[in-house]
Amino acid sequence: QLQLQESGPGLVKPSETLSLTCTVSGGSISASSYYWGWIRQPPGKGLEWIGNIYYSGSTYYNPSLRSRVTISLDTSKNQLSLKLSSVTAADTAVYYCARRRASSSGLDYWGQGTLVTVSS
Amino acid sequence: QSALTQPASVSGSPGQSITISCTGTSSDVGGYNYVSWYQQHPGKAPKLMIYDVSNRPSGVSNRFSGSKSDNTASLTISGLQAEDEGDYYCISYTSSSTWVFGGGTKLTVL
Repeated sequence: QLQLQESGPGLVKPSETLSLTCTVSGGSISASSYYWGWIRQPPGKGLEWIGNIYYSGSTYYNPSLRSRVTISLDTSKNQLSLKLSSVTAADTAVYYCARRRASSSGLDYWGQGTLVTVSS
Repeated sequence: QSALTQPASVSGSPGQSITISCTGTSSDVGGYNYVSWYQQHPGKAPKLMIYDVSNRPSGVSNRFSGSKSDNTASLTISGLQAEDEGDYYCISYTSSSTWVFGGGTKLTVL
């Protein structure tokens, strides 16, 4: 059974870089035909797609975040990472990682989510 | 990119059917059969209920169904049950090779 687990600092200062890791177990992150992505949800609000990365390394980002976001894969550790620079309070959210099969719209496996608060 | 439009809330009594709409444009919902729906309970991660407009993952009740007409996708839940209460989100692929969520709909089972 595939499992995803987000980890990283729960508190980040304004203007700094938010860094999160998603550890995948029960399957390989480099398996062909899968996208791995990040989604976030501010407290009490809806879901926002941040971006995703194909197993080959191609990346796609939300236009509103593109200038600040980097998503990458570490195949040696079977991990997905997210870096979001120059954060503000508006970036406070629960951050989820998720998997999608290529040629499908379904995000079929999700992590449990991790809350990141941006505050000084 | 603008969020897809969903009603903020819907409600129904046990046993009834409800439909949640998800309206976009020809550059997203109307242009591709890549719409999926998620159910989210408080404090939990979203759960995939429908993918590629109308396909149901293994393990999801057949009371959940999806469809699409022009720029609007719909999720229908028949035989409403108390456990169906929660938030529902749609997401669509876009012509920019990105994805956009709907604003979410809160379903209340009366």
